[in-house]
Amino acid sequence: DIQMTQSPSTLSASVGDRVTITCRASQSISSWLAWYQQRPGKAPKLLIYKASSLESGVPSRFSGSGSGTEFTLTISRLQPDDSATYYCQQYKSHYSFGQGTKLEIK
Amino acid sequence: EVQLVESGGALVQPGGSLRLSCAASEFTFSNFWMSWVRQAPGEGLEWVANIKGDGSEKYLVGSVMGRFTISRDNAKNSVYLQMNSLRAEDTAVYYCVREGGGAYFDYWGQGTLVTVSS
Repeated sequence: DIQMTQSPSTLSASVGDRVTITCRASQSISSWLAWYQQRPGKAPKLLIYKASSLESGVPSRFSGSGSGTEFTLTISRLQPDDSATYYCQQYKSHYSFGQGTKLEIK
Repeated sequence: EVQLVESGGALVQPGGSLRLSCAASEFTFSNFWMSWVRQAPGEGLEWVANIKGDGSEKYLVGSVMGRFTISRDNAKNSVYLQMNSLRAEDTAVYYCVREGGGAYFDYWGQGTLVTVSS
């Protein structure tokens, strides 16, 4: 099974800041990686697929990069409603998620 | 707009059974793999099962093999999760999810809560 590890587990930043979340895979997954945003009490929402492709309707402030085993999600110009938990997910071999990164906006 | 609406969640005793349903609309249902993903209270996401558009392939995560079954009825645009021999650790919100063109999860239902407790 492919294990996904995110860091940090929690993150606090201010409106207007730029933050980066890292996701590492236990083996190479090429670019078969997605990022999701989950606000409290809501279903997850797809942000990024194939490591760097922005889902339709998602603001361009969100960007993804990486390949192989190391990936990043960057959120620029933080807004208050970016407060959420972010998950990475590999889909090279079945599916597995990172443990999540909780982003707090100060 | 794509819609996925789950139903069937409930409080059930350990060892009991439950069948979750997901009604899909506004897309050609038979063209897509469908998955169930669960989230235990305060925890992360766990993929549970998926099924190919024509129902010919099905996969389950190891922890539910032999207890859960996934099925679909393309005439009713619905996917199901039959859960038997339920355990406390199956307590979670269960999401019905569409797999996009590249197997990532592009649409999610609102979730249905399954609580396994005596």
